[in-house]
Amino acid sequence: GDSVTQMEGPVTLSEEAFLTINCTYTATGYPSLFWYVQYPGEGLQLLLKATKADDKGSNKGFEATYRKETTSFHLEKGSVQVSDSAVYFCALSIGGSQGNLIFGKGTKLSVKP
Amino acid sequence: GAGVSQSPSNKVTEKGKDVELRCDPISGHTALYWYRQSLGQGLEFLIYFQGNSAPDKSGLPSDRFSAERTGGSVSTLTIQRTQQEDSAVYLCASSLLRGPSSYEQYFGPGTRLTVT
Repeated sequence: GDSVTQMEGPVTLSEEAFLTINCTYTATGYPSLFWYVQYPGEGLQLLLKATKADDKGSNKGFEATYRKETTSFHLEKGSVQVSDSAVYFCALSIGGSQGNLIFGKGTKLSVKP
Repeated sequence: GAGVSQSPSNKVTEKGKDVELRCDPISGHTALYWYRQSLGQGLEFLIYFQGNSAPDKSGLPSDRFSAERTGGSVSTLTIQRTQQEDSAVYLCASSLLRGPSSYEQYFGPGTRLTVT
């Protein structure tokens, strides 16, 4: 079945460090790919998305590129801030009658000053 | 505009009792989803509504779980004879089904259910 695998956390970085959170997927169709973020005490928020191969999603300095050849959607940020501390979820959606999101387990990021 | 709202925000119930969780989606969103977030299982899909019908109930963990949606808007998730393993945060999300933001899901704050 369809699934998402993302790197286990927790990840601890110093402020201004480079961030990569790996995400790979398995899907029978042509999924849309998402990164959601959950800040402490808050609900899930969409961070960025990509709907087709080679698309790059970007928001708040974060980027991820939809790589069909490697079935990956790795999240990157060049310089993290303390305020980026949160849990990050990679997800896919096939859409149509199967509109639900399939999530990875989540990666907790802590950024130290 | 208003986002997805859920009520109650917290619910503590005794094992064996029934509970109802409510979701108000974003106005105009035709798709509505229920998920469950627990420490052991992560984020799990429960059920999906397109309008008032539920084409996909595959994620409901047992027949104690049911959901309905009326008027293409509010949805209620009911758990009968609650068990301790039902303790989790229940999340609702809504989305459009057409247009450039189709399938982009917006989540509510969740209902934290604790079964004692």
